[in-house]
Amino acid sequence: AQKITQTQPGMFVQEKEAVTLDCTYDTSDQSYGLFWYKQPSSGEMIFLIYQGSYDEQNATEGRYSLNFQKARKSANLVISASQLGDSAMYFCAMSQISSGSARQLTFGSGTQLTVLP
Amino acid sequence: DAGVTQSPTHLIKTRGQHVTLRCSPISGHKSVSWYQQVLGQGPQFIFQYYEKEERGRGNFPDRFSARQFPNYSSELNVNALLLGDSALYLCASTPSPTVNSPLHFGNGTRLTVT
Repeated sequence: AQKITQTQPGMFVQEKEAVTLDCTYDTSDQSYGLFWYKQPSSGEMIFLIYQGSYDEQNATEGRYSLNFQKARKSANLVISASQLGDSAMYFCAMSQISSGSARQLTFGSGTQLTVLP
Repeated sequence: DAGVTQSPTHLIKTRGQHVTLRCSPISGHKSVSWYQQVLGQGPQFIFQYYEKEERGRGNFPDRFSARQFPNYSSELNVNALLLGDSALYLCASTPSPTVNSPLHFGNGTRLTVT
């Protein structure tokens, strides 16, 4: 069974500093995708960044980068130059094709990030 | 371009009642998925539809059902509501159900069952 583990329920970071949010995953599949989503208190899920299991280079999107270590099954999110607007819940998720060809995301329990002024 | 739209935004129902939630995907997206997010947890997969056919369902009872219409919009129906059905229901769309295609989520429908 697929599983995503986020071990940091809450994190604090000073404005303008970098922060790393941890994510480990468990799967026996060779083909999968890893995603990070941001969920502000308003509830919307905002897509941040994607890493494919066959991608050799770490994904980057603006201030977001994904530190992908396949052998360790980890996909940590790095946010550089934190801003007050980055305060939100962050979810790591894994995408796989399940039986019946359904494509589903399995989410972790999330990390609540608070950026301090 | 309009994102994924869901209606209603909030809903209060009584135990035993039935509810219908609606979702319109991003234009051009043919796949719609539904997720349930209980307070304090990550979203859980309920259904995925592609080209109007159900591709799969998560570990939810038969009280949950869904369908996708010819214009690719979708409805999620929940019968015989229980207190535990109180949650944020998220709809997501994607152009195709491939493993590397990100899901684009709507703002959700917050359902409260009393």
